[in-house]
Amino acid sequence: EIVLTQSPGTLSLSPGERATLSCRASHSVSNDYLAWYQQKPGQPPRLLINGASSRATGIPDRFSGSGSGTDFTLTITRLEPEDFAVYYCQQYAGSPKTFGQGTKVEIK
Amino acid sequence: QVQLQQWGAGLLKPSETLSLTCGVYGGSFSGYHWIWIRQPPGKGLEWIGEITHSGSTDYSPSLKSRVTISVDPSKNQFSLKVRSVSAADTAVYYCARDTRRKLVTGAYKYYAMDVWGQGTTVSVSS
Repeated sequence: EIVLTQSPGTLSLSPGERATLSCRASHSVSNDYLAWYQQKPGQPPRLLINGASSRATGIPDRFSGSGSGTDFTLTITRLEPEDFAVYYCQQYAGSPKTFGQGTKVEIK
Repeated sequence: QVQLQQWGAGLLKPSETLSLTCGVYGGSFSGYHWIWIRQPPGKGLEWIGEITHSGSTDYSPSLKSRVTISVDPSKNQFSLKVRSVSAADTAVYYCARDTRRKLVTGAYKYYAMDVWGQGTTVSVSS
């Protein structure tokens, strides 16, 4: 089983600032089958990034994903008020398809 | 635009069986994995398992002994059953899909979960 560890647990930032979220895998994620999701209270997760770096349909270009192998990053270049939420990484390269524990991006 | 609509009982007693169904509307049923995920109150996401339109399944090892996922392609529906529930099974349960595409080389390319149901809150209490 691939264990995903996200850091930091909480990120306190102001609107307009840059957010950098990390996801580290216990084993290499083949084909970079690593996704990022955003979740707001009372809502299902929303896919942001597919295949480590491809933005999903309708996702603004201030969201970008990078990385390969065991180290992945989600960057939000300029935080908008609607970006304050919890972010999860997930690998879909192997079974079980595991999630990280989440990073909460909160308003400072 | 494909939508997932899920339903099922929200309040159970310990040892009962959880049963949820997810309907797929406005899209194809083949070429995808149909997935169940859960989220305990205040916690993260847990992948439960998945099924293809032809009935091939894959389950989380931690839940495999109590879980069955089934599919009814004629109705564009798939279902989840969790036997012998306890308070630890209290969670919001989501259905979702991810995609498998066959390339010209014969290999498959996979995509993450892009469509989700609205979620069903399931509480287990005596």
